[in-house]
Amino acid sequence: GAGVSQSPSNKVTEKGKDVELRCDPISGHTALYWYRQSLGQGLEFLIYFQGNSAPDKSGLPSDRFSAERTGGSVSTLTIQRTQQEDSAVYLCASSLSSDSNQPQHFGDGTRLSIL
Amino acid sequence: GQQVMQIPQYQHVQEGEDFTTYCNSSTTLSNIQWYKQRPGGHPVFLIQLVKSGEVKKQKRLTFQFGEAKKNSSLHITATQTTDVGTYFCAGHRSSGSARQLTFGSGTQLTVLP
Repeated sequence: GAGVSQSPSNKVTEKGKDVELRCDPISGHTALYWYRQSLGQGLEFLIYFQGNSAPDKSGLPSDRFSAERTGGSVSTLTIQRTQQEDSAVYLCASSLSSDSNQPQHFGDGTRLSIL
Repeated sequence: GQQVMQIPQYQHVQEGEDFTTYCNSSTTLSNIQWYKQRPGGHPVFLIQLVKSGEVKKQKRLTFQFGEAKKNSSLHITATQTTDVGTYFCAGHRSSGSARQLTFGSGTQLTVLP
C-alpha cells in the first residue's frame, strides 16, 4: 500500500486478556519499529526489526510483550495478560533501511484501552 | 541511557506570533530528525539535520543543529492555525547502535485565531 497500515485502529479489552496488534509496513521497507505513546506523551521505543537480523527488543517493558515479523514484512505485537497501564496508542513505523539518515513513516496507530 | 529533553511541553500563541521549541540531548547525536503530529494523527517526518551548526529552512520553519550536536531548535515565524500540533525531535546516538531513534517528549503548539 501507499503507507504503513495498522489494525485494528481501536481495541478495547478486559484486563488479563491477550491482544494482538498488526502492522503492514510500506512495501520495500526493511526496517520496522514499534512505539508506544501514552496520552499527551512522547514516543516510547519498544522493538525494532531489520531484515533477517535478530530484533532489538531493548525497549519492551516486560516479558508480557513480544513481537514478530514474518517474511520480513508484516509484524504483530502481542501483549499477554494485559494490564490497565498498557492502555496507550501503539504506533508502527517503517523506513527504507536501518541507516540513521532514513526518515520513519508512521501508521495511524492502534488505540488500546484496557478496562 | 540516552535522554532527549524538549521544552516547552506546551505553548499557546496568538496567530501571527513566532514559536520556538528546543531539544537537548544528554549525548552527542549523529543526526536529529523533526516530526509533526497533528491532533489525532500520527507523526510525520519534517526534516533531518546532520552537520554541526547546520541550519535548514522550510518556508516559515527554521531548524538548527547545535555546534556540539547535542541540541536543536525549531522556530516557526508568524504562526498560522495550520501549524497546530505536537512537534517532536528525535535523535540518533553518535556511538553504538544507530538503529534506535530517541524521541523528545514533544511540544504541543496551540495557535489561537
